[in-house]
Amino acid sequence: GNSVTQMEGPVTLSEEAFLTINCTYTATGYPSLFWYVQYPGEGLQLLLKATKADDKGSNKGFEATYRKETTSFHLEKGSVQVSDSAVYFCALSRGSGGSYIPTFGRGTSLIVHP
Amino acid sequence: DSGVTQTPKHLITATGQRVTLRCSPRSGDLSVYWYQQSLDQGLQFLIQYYNGEERAKGNILERFSAQQFPDLHSELNLSSLELGDSALYFCASRDDRVSGYTFGSGTRLTVV
Repeated sequence: GNSVTQMEGPVTLSEEAFLTINCTYTATGYPSLFWYVQYPGEGLQLLLKATKADDKGSNKGFEATYRKETTSFHLEKGSVQVSDSAVYFCALSRGSGGSYIPTFGRGTSLIVHP
Repeated sequence: DSGVTQTPKHLITATGQRVTLRCSPRSGDLSVYWYQQSLDQGLQFLIQYYNGEERAKGNILERFSAQQFPDLHSELNLSSLELGDSALYFCASRDDRVSGYTFGSGTRLTVV
């Protein structure tokens, strides 16, 4: 079946450091890939997505590239801010008709210190 | 505001009781997904409805049931509650045009 594996956290960084959160997936065919962010006490918000191989999703300084050859979708940001502290979820979606089921990784907590 | 509305935001109830969680999807979205989020299990898919019909089931207990009504809102019913059912329950809807999922802010259920 489909699965998503993320690096375990927490990831602790100083402000302006470079961020990488690794994500690999297992799925048949060509799933869509997503990164979601969850701030404390809130629901998941879509951060970025990519729907086909070599696509790069980007938003708010975050980027991730759909790498089919390595089945990866690593999240990167060049300079993190304290406000980026949150839990980040990698996800994939694969299906047909009305049945697209998003599968999520376990989440990676990011803590950014001033 | 994501456009997906969940009520109530918080619920405290006793073991053995039954509760109903409600979700209204984004306008125009036909799919509704229910997820349970707990510290030890992460985000677990429970069930999906599409335009009133059940489409997929995940790790949903027999004590739990759901339905989607003609106006597309959905309800998740949890019965014979146990302490281990304490969790955040999220609802999401899917925009078929852009293959994106929008989450509500969740219902935090505490069983005491």
